Amino acid sequence: GQQLNQSPQSMFIQEGEDVSMNCTSSSIFNTWLWYKQDPGEGPVLLIALYKAGELTSNGRLTAQFGITRKDSFLNISASIPSDVGIYFCAGSQGAAGNKLTFGGGTRVLVKP
Amino acid sequence: DAGVTQSPTHLIKTRGQQVTLRCSPKSGHDTVSWYQQALGQGPQFIFQYYEEEERQRGNFPDRFSGHQFPNYSSELNVNALLLGDSALYLCASSLWRQSVEKLFFGSGTQLSVL
Repeated sequence: GQQLNQSPQSMFIQEGEDVSMNCTSSSIFNTWLWYKQDPGEGPVLLIALYKAGELTSNGRLTAQFGITRKDSFLNISASIPSDVGIYFCAGSQGAAGNKLTFGGGTRVLVKP
Repeated sequence: DAGVTQSPTHLIKTRGQQVTLRCSPKSGHDTVSWYQQALGQGPQFIFQYYEEEERQRGNFPDRFSGHQFPNYSSELNVNALLLGDSALYLCASSLWRQSVEKLFFGSGTQLSVL
C-alpha cells in the first residue's frame, strides 16, 4: 500500500532555531498537506500544496511540493515554544472524497 | 459554528466486545471520513461516507463498519474487538466536491481495548 516516510521521527528545538522536516513517498500525489497535532486534539491544517515545485509560506512556516511529486518538506523559522507538537505530512491523489495518506509524524520537542 | 464533534471522548472495552463511535460533521458538511491513529503513528484512512453510502474504504477488515444518517452524522462500529484496535479514532468532515484542504478533523475518541 501507499506509504509516506517522514523524517526525522523526532527533534529537539531551542527557541529561535530554524527546523526542517521532510516526507517522501513511493507514489505520486497531486496534493501535499502539512498538519500539526497537539495532545488530545485532531490534526489542524498548516499548509496545502497543489503544484509540483510550489513553495508556499504561512507565517513562519514554509513548505515545498517536490518536483517529482513524491516528496515535500516543511521549514519552521525562528521556532517558539508553541511550535512543540507532532507534525504530519499527508498526500492526496485528488479523487472526489479527499482520502488522505499520512506520514508517521515528526515529534518536535523543546531542548531541556 | 460548531466544528466536528465526536462522542464519547474516551472508551474502555474488552476483547471480543463491540463498540460504536459517533460523529457530527461541521455545519454545512455532507461527507464524513473516519481515520484510525495508533499510538505514535499517523492517522490511517478507514472509510468515507457520502449520501449515506460508503464511497471509499481503506485496508481495514469487515469488522469495521459504518453508517451515515440523513442529517449527515455518522457512526463507526467495530465488532469482535482486538487489543490492536486500541487507538484514537478521528472523524473528519468536508463537502463532497471540495478540495482536500477543506477537510476538518474532530478531537477523536480514544478507544482502549483490554
